Amino acid sequence: AQSVTQLDSHVSVSEGTPVLLRCNYSSSYSPSLFWYVQHPNKGLQLLLKYTSAATLVKGINGFEAEFKKSETSFHLTKPSAHMSDAAEYFCVVLGGSYIPTFGRGTSLIVHP
Amino acid sequence: SAVISQKPSRDICQRGTSLTIQCQVDSQVTMMFWYRQQPGQSLTLIATANQGSEATYESGFVIDKFPISRPNLTFSTLTVSNMSPEDSSIYLCSVDAGTSSDEQYFGPGTRLTVT
Repeated sequence: AQSVTQLDSHVSVSEGTPVLLRCNYSSSYSPSLFWYVQHPNKGLQLLLKYTSAATLVKGINGFEAEFKKSETSFHLTKPSAHMSDAAEYFCVVLGGSYIPTFGRGTSLIVHP
Repeated sequence: SAVISQKPSRDICQRGTSLTIQCQVDSQVTMMFWYRQQPGQSLTLIATANQGSEATYESGFVIDKFPISRPNLTFSTLTVSNMSPEDSSIYLCSVDAGTSSDEQYFGPGTRLTVT
């Protein structure tokens, strides 16, 4: 069994300040973990993924995430938010099957 | 990476009618997936479609309501039958990235509104 919890439905930041989107997971197997971004009226785009290699994963657009097994977390961070980062972000877990489980999503709001 | 297109991109349909959504991939893929994203919600897997076999439906989804075709390795269709307002959602298709990867590539989605 696998599940994923995104702890915040909305995160609001000012442009130029750090971003933290939180994700906790559970899985009976060593999981693969992903972050996807969905801009308005667009499809989902893969930001980054963890697949049992380095625990700190760097993705596109300056995002990175750290896999912490002891905390069962995979939080997404970015040092400095940009207006174009405003979007919906989904944390996804894949463990033991080909069917991923999506979190409910976190809406990132970036203020000028 | 795979490039995926969906048709139509959006539609407004009357209650009781059916809509067929097409998904086209620019390369041959083994597995194709259909998801539903209800307003303000996350993605829910409807079914997995492999070429040459019946689609596998997830709990809560049935073939009579969501028939799927997979005639070849680059194309699939999902039909939403006998629609009701509760079917108003974004429908997305995705494909697996290949045997050496467990990520998926997603199409842009079809935004369906049922009145």
